[in-house]
Amino acid sequence: EVQLVESGGGLVKPGGSLRLSCAASGFTFSSYSMNWVRQAPGKGLEWVSSISSSSSYIYYADSVKGRFTISRDNAKNSLYLQMNSLRAEDTAVYYCARVGGLGELSPIDYWGQGTLVTVSS
Amino acid sequence: QSVLTQPPSVSGAPGQRVTISCTGSSSNIGAGYDVHWYQQLPGTAPKLLIYGNSNRPSGVPDRFSGSKSGTSASLAITGLQAEDEADYYCQSYDSSLPGRRVFGTGTKVTVL
Repeated sequence: EVQLVESGGGLVKPGGSLRLSCAASGFTFSSYSMNWVRQAPGKGLEWVSSISSSSSYIYYADSVKGRFTISRDNAKNSLYLQMNSLRAEDTAVYYCARVGGLGELSPIDYWGQGTLVTVSS
Repeated sequence: QSVLTQPPSVSGAPGQRVTISCTGSSSNIGAGYDVHWYQQLPGTAPKLLIYGNSNRPSGVPDRFSGSKSGTSASLAITGLQAEDEADYYCQSYDSSLPGRRVFGTGTKVTVL
């Protein structure tokens, strides 16, 4: 059974940093691209970042570029999101998401349960 | 702010048919990129509902169907049930955006 379990969310002050982790199990993690998707309270889904299976291709939404860094450790079956210079508008539930196995244009076929990040003084 | 526009809400009585539109442009849906649909039940993570414009993953009832034409796509729910009350998001790709993956604005389906 595919499982994605996020951790690392919490309350942080504006300008602060936080590192999210996603532990993957039930599939060959090193074979899949992964994404982070966020959802602000009461709002829609927003794609944040993606990383290819071997970390060769990395992309960011303009809203987080230069502040967030996505990475993965295939030996540990883990995905990360380092978030720096956090702003109030980064407040959201952050989902770890697996991209289906037919290339970068595949749908997201599995989602974690999400971890809440709150940026507030 | 999203490049894919959906109606904020649709509603229908049990048993009725409702449709949700997803309107894009020539740089996303109109460029030939596939459209996928996700269902988000209250308080839960999204779930893949339709992929590749019109395909249903295993376990998704055939009451849900998808289509695409030109710069738009649609999700239809026939025989609406109370458990279908949820938020629905289309998703495609835009050649002008980094990473290209983009979500629609979302539609709340209410079962009357």
